[in-house]
Amino acid sequence: EDQVTQSPEALRLQEGESSSLNCSYTVSGLRGLFWYRQDPGKGPEFLFTLYSAGEEKEKERLKATLTKKESFLHITAPKPEDSATYLCAVHPNTDKLIFGTGTRLQVFP
Amino acid sequence: DTAVSQTPKYLVTQMGNDKSIKCEQNLGHDTMYWYKQDSKKFLKIMFSYNNKELIINETVPNRFSPKSPDKAHLNLHINSLELGDSAVYFCASSQDSGRVDNTGELFFGEGSRLTVL
Repeated sequence: EDQVTQSPEALRLQEGESSSLNCSYTVSGLRGLFWYRQDPGKGPEFLFTLYSAGEEKEKERLKATLTKKESFLHITAPKPEDSATYLCAVHPNTDKLIFGTGTRLQVFP
Repeated sequence: DTAVSQTPKYLVTQMGNDKSIKCEQNLGHDTMYWYKQDSKKFLKIMFSYNNKELIINETVPNRFSPKSPDKAHLNLHINSLELGDSAVYFCASSQDSGRVDNTGELFFGEGSRLTVL
């Protein structure tokens, strides 16, 4: 069965304290892996798509990487405005995305 | 301009009632979706439509009936509401076909929080 697991469930960081979020997956053929950001009371907002192992994407303080079993979202020198829930989703050999339950990130000044 | 808008944002109702949630997108996308997000933040697809044609119909009770009058609108009607239907329902759209070639880039609305008492 296709599955996506994100860890940790919650992460508290001081402003400037870099860290990584993990997304592990087992799927029947990976067509793509996606990262989304979700603010409280809002819908998820698309961040990145990764298609193959070794691929990396960057956007401001965020960098996403992909291996054959997992993806990492690295956050460098985070700011309070980076606080949100980060969702990972995979696209296996079916017509639908499978989402993880997310990592809730809080960055304190 | 809101890209994907859904109404109402909040909905509180009694068990057994029937309710609808409306969604509209002004992005010119061909595909629209309904997702359900439970209390543990798990986001699961319910339906997708491409140019008014039903593409994905997950295992949801047939009390849930989507309707797409045109490719810019996708409504969700729920009959005989149950306690377990309480969740946040998200509408989304994408530019691609919604089939296996999708890019994963979905544009979500702000959600409709349904509470069944």
